[in-house]
Amino acid sequence: DTAVSQTPKYLVTQMGNDKSIKCEQNLGHDTMYWYKQDSKKFLKIMFSYNNKELIINETVPNRFSPKSPDKAHLNLHINSLELGDSAVYFCASSLTGTREDGYTFGSGTRLTVV
Amino acid sequence: GENVEQHPSTLSVQEGDSAVIKCTYSDSASNYFPWYKQELGKGPQLIIDIRSNVGEKKDQRIAVTLNKTAKHFSLHITETQPEDSAVYFCAAASNFGNEKLTFGTGTRLTIIP
Repeated sequence: DTAVSQTPKYLVTQMGNDKSIKCEQNLGHDTMYWYKQDSKKFLKIMFSYNNKELIINETVPNRFSPKSPDKAHLNLHINSLELGDSAVYFCASSLTGTREDGYTFGSGTRLTVV
Repeated sequence: GENVEQHPSTLSVQEGDSAVIKCTYSDSASNYFPWYKQELGKGPQLIIDIRSNVGEKKDQRIAVTLNKTAKHFSLHITETQPEDSAVYFCAAASNFGNEKLTFGTGTRLTIIP
């Protein structure tokens, strides 16, 4: 029973396309995050939501738009994809954003823009 | 904002020996320091964490030490096994401002049988 699940696991698309990545957690956590991991394995936060409310928005291009329909879901929509968007995107969740039980990460979505 | 540096970037250790990974952080307000292990094709998984009111924490073969004065913390793995091979990340966070983890750049640990 997967705690944080992301779909799709792999995504290959052409430049200029629009794509979405979905994330769902069944842990009862109320804070969810999107992290980007580049080719050098560097993990950088993009967004976080607490109970459907955006609380962190790092300097991410506005082509990236997160959407949280409820506290168990946080989706990421990317418009006009660029080559530099190629990376692994991780969704994560935590309890009340206090890190008391750490972050639980999904298994990642490998996005390749060609 | 917080900046976390991690060394070394790669580490090869003979099976049974110990491995040490070191991190430094810049924000003196940081008070939570977790370590994550990332296996190939998987997301990072929390293996141990330490808070600033504690200098050392141990969980079986894994231990973490924290020096708040020097702003550095370390992960120690003893009696290494092949399944310890992975990428390890340190991270830091504070109670203040936005709730987020700032990660180090990762250490690829290889255990040589």
